[in-house]
Amino acid sequence: AQRVTQPEKLLSVFKGAPVELKCNYSYSGSPELFWYVQYSRQRLQLLLRHISRESIKGFTADLNKGETSFHLKKPFAQEEDSAMYYCALLSNDYKLSFGAGTTVTVRA
Amino acid sequence: GAGVSQSPSNKVTEKGKDVELRCDPISGHTALYWYRQSLGQGLEFLIYFQGNSAPDKSGLPSDRFSAERTGGSVSTLTIQRTQQEDSAVYLCASSLESGSDSPLHFGNGTRLTVT
Repeated sequence: AQRVTQPEKLLSVFKGAPVELKCNYSYSGSPELFWYVQYSRQRLQLLLRHISRESIKGFTADLNKGETSFHLKKPFAQEEDSAMYYCALLSNDYKLSFGAGTTVTVRA
Repeated sequence: GAGVSQSPSNKVTEKGKDVELRCDPISGHTALYWYRQSLGQGLEFLIYFQGNSAPDKSGLPSDRFSAERTGGSVSTLTIQRTQQEDSAVYLCASSLESGSDSPLHFGNGTRLTVT
């Protein structure tokens, strides 16, 4: 069975400071990892996926298979980054499992 | 359609009643997922459809929960004899096909309150 763990429920940072959201997973197969984001009064939406190795809105995430982690990082947080962030794992049978989520608040 | 549509957006029901939640996925999307979002619990996987079949029903919490999908499109999630612990936001998502190249598109959810 797969499991996604986001150890931080709440994260508060000042504008311009770096932000890192932790995500760890357990899965016996070859995982595909994603970050989804939900801004206030908006739908949950895809932020980025590890296979694309892309930077979206200044965020990056690197899959570390040795540490079974997929932490989300941004060097300079902005107020518009305040949102709920979910790490997700897609297993080989196409089941997408989410972590408990981290609420990020960026203060001016 | 423009996006995944869920109805009703809010539902208040008495304990013991049955409820039916509806999801209209984006036209042409073959994969459809149901999740439950509870405070502090994150997103709990309920069931996944590929076309009209459900390869994975492992997330359904109990036999009071059932779901079906017809015509490869609309899906309904039914909760029988609702309990207070069923109160949550029920989210539906669809994707063009199964797999990592097809991101999930979520609806706005149905907020269920069992009194």
